[in-house]
Amino acid sequence: AQTVTQSQPEMSVQEAETVTLSCTYDTSENNYYLFWYKQPPSRQMILVIRQEAYKQQNATENRFSVNFQKAAKSFSLKISDSQLGDTAMYFCASFFYGGSQGNLIFGKGTKLSVKP
Amino acid sequence: NAGVTQTPKFQVLKTGQSMTLQCAQDMNHEYMSWYRQDPGMGLRLIHYSVGAGITDQGEVPNGYNVSRSTTEDFPLRLLSAAPSQTSVYFCASSYSRDGDSPLHFGNGTRLTVT
Repeated sequence: AQTVTQSQPEMSVQEAETVTLSCTYDTSENNYYLFWYKQPPSRQMILVIRQEAYKQQNATENRFSVNFQKAAKSFSLKISDSQLGDTAMYFCASFFYGGSQGNLIFGKGTKLSVKP
Repeated sequence: NAGVTQTPKFQVLKTGQSMTLQCAQDMNHEYMSWYRQDPGMGLRLIHYSVGAGITDQGEVPNGYNVSRSTTEDFPLRLLSAAPSQTSVYFCASSYSRDGDSPLHFGNGTRLTVT
C-alpha cells in the first residue's frame, strides 16, 4: 500500500527563523505528485507547494521550499523567515497513479507553532 | 466565484439520527471527494466521484452513502449516526482525477454525534 508518513506531530520555531518539516512516502510508482497543505485555525485547507516526481528541481514558493529526495522517498518542507501567520497544521500529501489509487493520500500532520 | 461550498458548518446529532452534508461547486469540476479529519489521523478519504452518476469508495466508506446526480453537487449521507462519526468533514473538487489538477477544499463541517 502507498503511504505518507509525517514523524513530527508538533514543532515550534521562533519568529524569523527557519524550520523544516519532514515527510516520507512509500510507493513503487515512478510518476506521482507530492503536496504540502497548510491548515490554519480557520480550518481552511490551503495548498502551499507542489512537486512533480519527474522534475528533479525542488519547488519553491516565496518563503516555502521543498527538499525532494526521490531515491530516499523524502519530501521535506522548509519555511524560511517564519512568521506568526505560519502557525498551522501542515499536511504532506501525495497523488499516486495506478491501481486503486488516483486519489490524494494525506499524512497525519505536523502542528507548527511560531513563537514571537 | 464561490468555489466549494459546504453546509452546514456545524451540526450536532443524536446517535441513530440521519442527516445529509451538502457540497456544491461552481467550477464545473468533474472530480469530487469527501474526507474526514480526526485528531492525529490526518485526512482520510470516504467516497469520491469522477463525474455525474459515478461514485466509488475510499479508505473509510462504512456508514456513509453518496450520490452524484449533477456535476455541481455531491452530498454525503449518514443514515444512522454513530459517535465514531464525530469528526470534521471536508468536501473537495478538482478539474480531473489527476495529480496535475489541484484540489479545492470547502471550509469543512464539524459534526458531533452524542
